[in-house]
Amino acid sequence: RKEVEQDPGPFNVPEGATVAFNCTYSNSASQSFFWYRQDCRKEPKLLMSVYSSGNEDGRFTAQLNRASQYISLLIRDSKLSDSATYLCVVNGGSGYSTLTFGKGTMLLVSP
Amino acid sequence: GAVVSQHPSRVICKSGTSVKIECRSLDFQATTMFWYRQFPKQSLMLMATSNEGSKATYEQGVEKDKFLINHASLTLSTLTVTSAHPEDSSFYICSAKRQGASYEQYFGPGTRLTVT
Repeated sequence: RKEVEQDPGPFNVPEGATVAFNCTYSNSASQSFFWYRQDCRKEPKLLMSVYSSGNEDGRFTAQLNRASQYISLLIRDSKLSDSATYLCVVNGGSGYSTLTFGKGTMLLVSP
Repeated sequence: GAVVSQHPSRVICKSGTSVKIECRSLDFQATTMFWYRQFPKQSLMLMATSNEGSKATYEQGVEKDKFLINHASLTLSTLTVTSAHPEDSSFYICSAKRQGASYEQYFGPGTRLTVT
């Protein structure tokens, strides 16, 4: 089983739509969870951390279910500029600080 | 704050030559830096963890004699790909963890290496 698993997509949605991405992770000892955004041929950029109680940042809402080892990201009112690959990231690997990345889910928002 | 730079951004080299990539934290001290590699349509794969003043810790399957890492100061880590081959062509990205911080890493813009 892969450490962090995501549906690669692409998710094609019109502007204004609501879209949700899911992610599962295998390491039950993981403590921290993040969503990163990566544009084509660029480095990943932190979108938001994911907390057990769920958290919201503007149009973006992240949820964590530790029992199911499942993380979600909801994007409301999609914009063209939201088109990117969204990476689910958990801490894990060989050390305390290391991060394990999913392959990412591609989102394409069209006019 | 928390800006990380990488140099060069793009490099093309011939098979058998060595390439050095620099990663710098510009406005903070980074006791730990990480080197990743990303092949097309694949996830970022951690290659090694670099701690200032000590030897790097390499992930399983990464040859330490081929990928030389030096972290001589709190703001600079270098990755040298020795005797590069076409299969080493990839996107190499570094990240840095702020001194005292827990998990958050700040990424450099990446270096695209093409070995011909």
